[in-house]
Amino acid sequence: NAGVMQNPRHLVRRRGQEARLRCSPVKGHSHVYWYRQLPEEGLKFMVYLQKENIIDESGMPKERFSAEFPKEGPSILRIQQVVRGDSAAYFCASSPWTASSDTQYFGPGTRLTVL
Amino acid sequence: KNEVEQSPQNLTAQEGEFITINCSYSVGISALHWLQQHPGGGIVSLFMLSSGKKKHGRLIATINIQEKHSSLHITASHPRDSAVYICAASLYSGGGADGLTFGKGTHLIIQP
Repeated sequence: NAGVMQNPRHLVRRRGQEARLRCSPVKGHSHVYWYRQLPEEGLKFMVYLQKENIIDESGMPKERFSAEFPKEGPSILRIQQVVRGDSAAYFCASSPWTASSDTQYFGPGTRLTVL
Repeated sequence: KNEVEQSPQNLTAQEGEFITINCSYSVGISALHWLQQHPGGGIVSLFMLSSGKKKHGRLIATINIQEKHSSLHITASHPRDSAVYICAASLYSGGGADGLTFGKGTHLIIQP
């Protein structure tokens, strides 16, 4: 059974470019969460999605960031016009139910470096 | 003030010692999670609990809802237990965000 897969594992972008981070949840899991871990800081919630729906994006920066979880394919976290402050580890987690009632399974993370 | 607070921030102990990491939270929660982040960065979910106590191998997690407090214990600690341990709370359930709110983590080092 494959766990949560994220790719790429490492991503380097120059300022102003776009970054696309992909997350394939555990098979059968319909709840996907994205978290960000800034250097020397704790994890922060960004967005919670179910298939084709954004349930809560209260942790997403208002501009440049977007997320989707289409009916087919992985969940995508997209960062437009990246800036140095976007450099962080981005983790995806999935669960069969909500975080209040079930364990979350984390992916290995994507480490984004903005030059 | 963070809604989820952990202590200690750093802990160094000798192999075999009994380890306790504490987590307190300031708001109502529906579930509390304990996570382990390895030196390489990967995150593993250890426990999810909403009441009482859970045990898995040498790890024990407890929660006291009235006192808004949880503890993670490691018995017979081993150098391979060295990692960052993170407490995370699901602040409300059903219809809300359900994303986790994290403590800042406890960096544990077990020396042989």
